[in-house]
Amino acid sequence: GQNIDQPTEMTATEGAIVQINCTYQTSGFNGLFWYQQHAGEAPTFLSYNVLDGLEEKGRFSSFLSRSKGYSYLLLKELQMKDSASYLCAVRDFRFNKFYFGSGTKLNVKP
Amino acid sequence: GAGVSQSPSNKVTEKGKDVELRCDPISGHTALYWYRQSLGQGLEFLIYFQGNSAPDKSGLPSDRFSAERTGGSVSTLTIQRTQQEDSAVYLCASSDVTGTAPAPGYNEQFFGPGTRLTVL
Repeated sequence: GQNIDQPTEMTATEGAIVQINCTYQTSGFNGLFWYQQHAGEAPTFLSYNVLDGLEEKGRFSSFLSRSKGYSYLLLKELQMKDSASYLCAVRDFRFNKFYFGSGTKLNVKP
Repeated sequence: GAGVSQSPSNKVTEKGKDVELRCDPISGHTALYWYRQSLGQGLEFLIYFQGNSAPDKSGLPSDRFSAERTGGSVSTLTIQRTQQEDSAVYLCASSDVTGTAPAPGYNEQFFGPGTRLTVL
C-alpha cells in the first residue's frame, strides 16, 4: 500500500523561506509530484522529481531522496498569494496511479 | 479544449437520489482519473481509465459508485442512492501518459475545477 505523510498546517512570514516535508512508503515508486491548491480551486502542478536531488523552478524548489522516502518543497521569498494547501503525490509505476497526501495548509502572514 | 472541464460545478441533491457528474478531459489525453476531496482533506483516488484498458476501480468506496468513459474521451461518474457522506468535491484529472520531458513516463495531471456535491 501507500503511506504519505505531510504536516497538516504551517505558518510563515511574507518574504521568508519555508520547507514543507513529505515522507512516503511505497513499492513501485515512479515519481513524486507537488501540487498547489488554493481554497475552492483545483490543484495545479508545481514540480516533479523522479531522480534524487533538487529541482529548482523560480521561487519553488523540490528535493527527493528515494532511499529515505523523503521529499520537500522549498518556497522562497514568500508572498501572500502563496497561502494555499500543498499536496504531495506519489506515482506507482505498476498501475500509473497517484497517491496523494492530505496536504499541508500554508498560512503566509504579513 | 483548453483544459479539463467538469459539470455541473455544484450539485445539491436529496439523500437517496442518483447523481451523474461529467468530465471532459483535455483532447488527446488517454488517461483520466476521478478523485474525491472532502473538506480540508487530501485527494482520495476513485477510478482510473487508460485508453482501451479495463479501468482501475480499486478506489470506488462502494457499489453505489460507477464510472464510464465513452469513446476514450468524456467520462461520467454516477453515484446511486446518494448518502450524506458522499458530500464532497469530485475532481477529474487527465494526463498524457506518453513519455515527455523532463523524464520518461512523465505525465503531469491536469485537474478540472471540480463538482461540489451536497447531499441533504
